[in-house]
This record gives sequence, structure tokens and C-alpha cells, in this order.
Amino acid sequence: KAGVTQTPRYLIKTRGQQVTLSCSPISGHRSVSWYQQTPGQGLQFLFEYFSETQRNKGNFPGRFSGRQFSNSRSEMNVSTLELGDSALYLCASSLRQGAGTEAFFGQGTRLTVV
Amino acid sequence: QQPVQSPQAVILREGEDAVINCSSSKALYSVHWYRQKHGEAPVFLMILLKGGEQKGHDKISASFNEKKQQSSLYLTASQLSYSGTYFCGTEYNGAQKLVFGQGTRLTINP
Repeated sequence: KAGVTQTPRYLIKTRGQQVTLSCSPISGHRSVSWYQQTPGQGLQFLFEYFSETQRNKGNFPGRFSGRQFSNSRSEMNVSTLELGDSALYLCASSLRQGAGTEAFFGQGTRLTVV
Repeated sequence: QQPVQSPQAVILREGEDAVINCSSSKALYSVHWYRQKHGEAPVFLMILLKGGEQKGHDKISASFNEKKQQSSLYLTASQLSYSGTYFCGTEYNGAQKLVFGQGTRLTINP
């Protein structure tokens, strides 16, 4: 069974631009969560989608948004990029929604903002 | 409220045992354990649900003490492949929203 696929793996963007990251969950998984990982702040929850609806949201500004499609694939968008947005963005796939569900991470997209 | 992991780092020789702790100040619903190697994605190890259970596979096991709101990860007879940073991710109130600890860096030397 294929794992979680994130594209692209690497991105370099300029301050002020916007970026879209993609995540394809494990086949049959319907919940997708996004996390930001930085050396200073560690792993931080961005948001979770299930059945095309955002179910939970972390403490990030409105520049960070996402969506989920009917095939469970998800995209995350960051607008008006700032230098501090440089990070590894990880997507996690779960079979169902709700706590206590195993979550499997993709390889991540490393975003560098210059 | 971020869980607190201890120790922050540990260095072992191959074959030695390690214990990594994860403590929360809030009532836990579940604890997830992951291992991440440099430049790679976190790899799921196991999940423990409230109720005070213990799980394990091979030489890696974990316990969940609901009374203390603490989970411990046990690595016995460590192998070189166990090196990496271990994260505990906690869930509260039934919401699927992992809050991760700061990580414990484990180095296994031959």
C-alpha cells in the first residue's frame, strides 16, 4: 500500500509570494492533518480535514489555509509568505476522524522563503 | 499545553536500554509515539489510549499512566537503527489534534 505522498518535496519562494502544497493520503484514509516543523517551535498542528471539512484548527494566522477534495487529497496554501514561514510542512493521514486514531506522516515539503 | 519530554538527549552503547518520558499537565486522551531520523518524516511507533495500557512490539514498548498523565517509551537492547529523535504527541478531549513534545534525541553508538 502506498504511503502518504507530498508534493513538491522542496520549494524556494520569495517573501510576499504565495505557495500551495499538496498531500495525497494513504488509500482509504479520509482524514488529513497538516503540521509545521521548525527547529525553534518543533512540530505544530495547523489544521485537520475530514470529508472536505476543516474539523480542527491550530493557532496560525489566516494566511495559512487548506482544503480537502472529494478523493481525500488535501492542499495547503500560505499567502504573503514571510521569512518565518520557512519550515518543513508535514501532512499526516488517518483512517478516520477523531482522537485515538493512528496518524502516518508523509515525507514533507521543505519550504524556504528568501 | 505542550507535553514535556525527558530526557532531552541520551547517548547509549548498542545493547543498552533507554526510557523516554512524556508528561502532560492536562488530562490525556491518547499518546502517540514517533521516531524521526534526520531529514526524514516522523515514523509512527505506537498509540496508547487512556485507560492505562501498555503496548509493545519487538524491543520497543510503552506504557500510559492515566493517573500521572504520563507515558513512557522503553527501548530494550538498543540497536544502531534506534538512533533518531523521539516525539510524543498527545491528544486531549477527543479532538484529533496532536500536540507534540520537544523531542528526545537518542544516539546509539557501536
